[in-house]
Amino acid sequence: NAGVTQTPKFRVLKTGQSMTLLCAQDMNHEYMYWYRQDPGMGLRLIHYSVGEGTTAKGEVPDGYNVSRLKKQNFLLGLESAAPSQTSVYFCASSYLDGNQPQHFGDGTRLSIL
Amino acid sequence: EDKVVQSPLSLVVHEGDTVTLNCSYEVTNFRSLLWYKQEKKAPTFLFMLTSSGIEKKSGRLSSILDKKELFSILNITATQTGDSAVYLCAVYNNNDMRFGAGTRLTVKP
Repeated sequence: NAGVTQTPKFRVLKTGQSMTLLCAQDMNHEYMYWYRQDPGMGLRLIHYSVGEGTTAKGEVPDGYNVSRLKKQNFLLGLESAAPSQTSVYFCASSYLDGNQPQHFGDGTRLSIL
Repeated sequence: EDKVVQSPLSLVVHEGDTVTLNCSYEVTNFRSLLWYKQEKKAPTFLFMLTSSGIEKKSGRLSSILDKKELFSILNITATQTGDSAVYLCAVYNNNDMRFGAGTRLTVKP
């Protein structure tokens, strides 16, 4: 049982490049989330989805886009990467309701030079 | 603005000590408070609290919520080196999960 899988695990980008982070879950969860974790700031919600085909903004959505074309996948895109987006990105999912424990992936460490 | 504040930010203890981690919050439409443990990678779920005064317990760990004073504590008794981690507090507010900065606990042998 893989749970929540994030790819890639590490990536280095140059300013202005674009990339997509993939999150896949095999638990049939409805809700999925993207967070970023920076030193001293805890986890901050970027975007989330309450089901296939839906997305919504979280606390820090600027500079990111997301898509949920399939229930099991949640993609996070950076169209034009900036050094301020250097962070560790975590994907999470929860079952039927956001008011449930979230299951997290192992994170993607992204550096933007 | 909604916020979750954890204290202390870091803590160093010796094996066998008892520790208390604090989480205070100010959020609208509170629904639940959750505690997670984060070692090297993914945060893992510890407790979910929705009602005041009801202690949740798992082995040496326990937690309680006070919805009147807007805080929660996480207690760890007889600490072990394997308890070394960052402990995260999060508050769920409809579709918004707001995390605190975490408390880094180091348990020395």
